[in-house]
Amino acid sequence: GQSLEQPSEVTAVEGAIVQINCTYQTSGFYGLSWYQQHDGGAPTFLSYNALDGLEETGRFSSFLSRSDSYGYLLLQELQMKDSASYFCAVNRGNNRLAFGKGNQVVVIP
Amino acid sequence: DTAVSQTPKYLVTQMGNDKSIKCEQNLGHDTMYWYKQDSKKFLKIMFSYNNKELIINETVPNRFSPKSPDKAHLNLHINSLELGDSAVYFCASSQDRTLAGGLRDTQYFGPGTRLTVL
Repeated sequence: GQSLEQPSEVTAVEGAIVQINCTYQTSGFYGLSWYQQHDGGAPTFLSYNALDGLEETGRFSSFLSRSDSYGYLLLQELQMKDSASYFCAVNRGNNRLAFGKGNQVVVIP
Repeated sequence: DTAVSQTPKYLVTQMGNDKSIKCEQNLGHDTMYWYKQDSKKFLKIMFSYNNKELIINETVPNRFSPKSPDKAHLNLHINSLELGDSAVYFCASSQDRTLAGGLRDTQYFGPGTRLTVL
């Protein structure tokens, strides 16, 4: 079976740093992806970790610890446009993505 | 120049009707997917096709039938619509579906089709 746990909502001010955690329990694991989705929009790819460690892409970084079945997405220098839902997704092989429930980030001035 | 496009964007229909949603990608990708996102934003994969071949079928009722006429198109036909089918349906595509995973498997989503069954 599989489950992905993500906390539900976080509010932060512009310029702050937010960390979104993801723990997973799944049969088959090939990597952890992160997607951003604005209200009414489509999920868009942010980052991918296949191996342990930190991947940095501009203001966003993603971390994976396979031994702990845990990852996080770090949003730095928050901007208003970062207000969105953030999903972690486990690749269970054959590119079968299992998405977490998402975490709503609200950025306030 | 839209990468992954879906039609229609909105679909309102009565219970029991049959409807189709179309998806096209111009990225030259080999693999396409259908996802369902419910009112709580839970995103769940339904189907995946690779080069017109069905790869993933995630215990979806057989009222849902995907069809891939070529690798750039993946349509979703739904028979006998039920209230519980109301959701946003997303099409996606990826360059590849390597078993090992990787950035080649990055999935690009279409804008979604909001289906409302009355």
